[in-house]
Amino acid sequence: KQEVTQIPAALSVPEGENLVLNCSFTDSAIYNLQWFRQDPGKGLTSLLLIQSSQREQTSGRLNASLDKSSGRSTLYIAASQPGDSATYLCAVRSAGNMLTFGGGTRLMVKP
Amino acid sequence: EAGVAQSPRYKIIEKRQSVAFWCNPISGHATLYWYQQILGQGPKLLIQFQNNGVVDDSQLPKDRFSAERLKGVDSTLKIQPAKLEDSAVYLCASSFSGRGTEAFFGQGTRLTVV
Repeated sequence: KQEVTQIPAALSVPEGENLVLNCSFTDSAIYNLQWFRQDPGKGLTSLLLIQSSQREQTSGRLNASLDKSSGRSTLYIAASQPGDSATYLCAVRSAGNMLTFGGGTRLMVKP
Repeated sequence: EAGVAQSPRYKIIEKRQSVAFWCNPISGHATLYWYQQILGQGPKLLIQFQNNGVVDDSQLPKDRFSAERLKGVDSTLKIQPAKLEDSAVYLCASSFSGRGTEAFFGQGTRLTVV
């Protein structure tokens, strides 16, 4: 059974810092990995999708990497802004199109 | 392109009452998921459909929860009777059935059981 863990569970940083969120998974036989953002009381917004054959994906100030063999992904946020404050979730898609989530990292960027 | 639609957005019920949630996936998406997200936790899969067939419902509390996806399009999730611990956000997502496809989520339904 696939298990996904996100570290840290919560993070508070001053504006302008670069930061890294971590995601690890137990079964490396994945199809892809997706990073989501969730604002309080809202649904999930997809940020980046990395296929199992890819090493990284970039969108603006966001960069996600994937090391499938070690079961790890990182989400790098450059020059953080208060508007980046949200919960970040990673999810892996594996056999049977199962989509398994981690517990999320709650990010607070202070002005 | 229209996104995943869910209704209602909010629902407050008393324990032991019943409630139903509705989801309309993105057109053409064969795979549909229902997740339960308790405050402060990541989403937990309740049930996954492929067209109108169930792929996985191992974490669905079948004594009180039921779900269906008639005609392989819209889906409903029902809770009867509700318990206090069912208070959560219920998220619906859909995707194409291919291995490398992206999942899209609705806004969710926030259920409060009092």
